[in-house]
Amino acid sequence: DAGITQSPRHKVTETGTPVTLRCHQTENHRYMYWYRQDPGHGLRLIHYSYGVKDTDKGEVSDGYSVSRSKTEDFLLTLESATSSQTSVYFCAISDNTEAFFGQGTRLTVV
Amino acid sequence: GQSLEQPSEVTAVEGAIVQMNCTYQTSGFYGLSWYQQHDGGAPTFLSYNALDGLEETGRFSSFLSRSDSYGYLLLQELQMKDSASYFCAVRTPHNQGGKLIFGQGTELSVKP
Repeated sequence: DAGITQSPRHKVTETGTPVTLRCHQTENHRYMYWYRQDPGHGLRLIHYSYGVKDTDKGEVSDGYSVSRSKTEDFLLTLESATSSQTSVYFCAISDNTEAFFGQGTRLTVV
Repeated sequence: GQSLEQPSEVTAVEGAIVQMNCTYQTSGFYGLSWYQQHDGGAPTFLSYNALDGLEETGRFSSFLSRSDSYGYLLLQELQMKDSASYFCAVRTPHNQGGKLIFGQGTELSVKP
């Protein structure tokens, strides 16, 4: 199995608080991605990275920021969580043709 | 930008063959891939097509026609464990950031 871990796996937070999700890889893959998955919407790309300090927006980036200060870590931050950001968040890594996913983080904003 | 369309649901009988289609629009194309996701799990890679034609891996085959912006995933000898959601995804070239965009997925139900 590809070495990719997400933390935390579950989190409940209050509206208006900042939240950071972490994705860590041990594969030295170039590309890292953050997705959210909601019923009926599939996997929607939030932000992605194509190298250290190289990031770009995806389809649903409003309210989210990311950072990648080293190859192995890709952080997703919700600056001020809202109930609409309640979702399952997946991180993925890729070098070329195949992407490997973390086990997901279930985030609930109350 | 990129967008992909997939039928939302497909039902088939155990032992049968099923085809799940994917049409896409993209400003840059590096390849079309397919992923499987069981309820409560993470997506897992099934196959990848960079060139036109058919790729076969066991019971799974994937087809791509770049001129038609179309692909499909074919599952043969269906088993109950194949009940899952199936996503197609388009990757943009490296010089466009290597973005990976997914369709909304097709939920496959395999009946006895």
